[in-house]
Amino acid sequence: EAGVAQSPRYKIIEKRQSVAFWCNPISGHATLYWYQQILGQGPKLLIQFQNNGVVDDSQLPKDRFSAERLKGVDSTLKIQPAKLEDSAVYLCASKLGFRSYEQYFGPGTRLTVT
Amino acid sequence: RKEVEQDPGPFNVPEGATVAFNCTYSNSASQSFFWYRQDCRKEPKLLMSVYSSGNEDGRFTAQLNRASQYISLLIRDSKLSDSATYLCVVSRGRQTGANNLFFGTGTRLTVIP
Repeated sequence: EAGVAQSPRYKIIEKRQSVAFWCNPISGHATLYWYQQILGQGPKLLIQFQNNGVVDDSQLPKDRFSAERLKGVDSTLKIQPAKLEDSAVYLCASKLGFRSYEQYFGPGTRLTVT
Repeated sequence: RKEVEQDPGPFNVPEGATVAFNCTYSNSASQSFFWYRQDCRKEPKLLMSVYSSGNEDGRFTAQLNRASQYISLLIRDSKLSDSATYLCVVSRGRQTGANNLFFGTGTRLTVIP
């Protein structure tokens, strides 16, 4: 079974630039998450989708971050404009359904903002 | 106060040693508890769930004390391949998806030959 795919794996941008990350969850997984993991910390949830609807975006900095999952499959996370403190690994995770047990994480996108 | 608190370590132990990690959580409404493992520069992966009755998976034993809001992970007979960061994870839902997962900062373990 193919895992969660993310791209790009690495991205370096200057502050105030924009960046977008892409995630393709495991086939059939209805629930998708985006997490931010700053070096030395655990992942922090940014947004949760159930199919193409947002379940929880309470920790998403909406002034600069946006995410969508228009067809309920792939998702994109955008940062515009980026700040130095956005340097982190952005992890996408998926699971089969709202009441499913385990989340499966993708390899992440490592973002460096200079 | 953080939702989940862990000792970040690092823990450096010789092969064959027994090592224990502890974690506390702040929200008494938390319902589900997990340990995830994260290798260097890799994604987190579920290691095991934690139940009030305690549960064991081979060399790994997890315990939950709801009264103290305390979770533990014991690794017996440590192997070199156990070297990783162990993340304590708490959810307010009864399953991992009903509500958010809250991750601790992780405890880094290095098993030395």
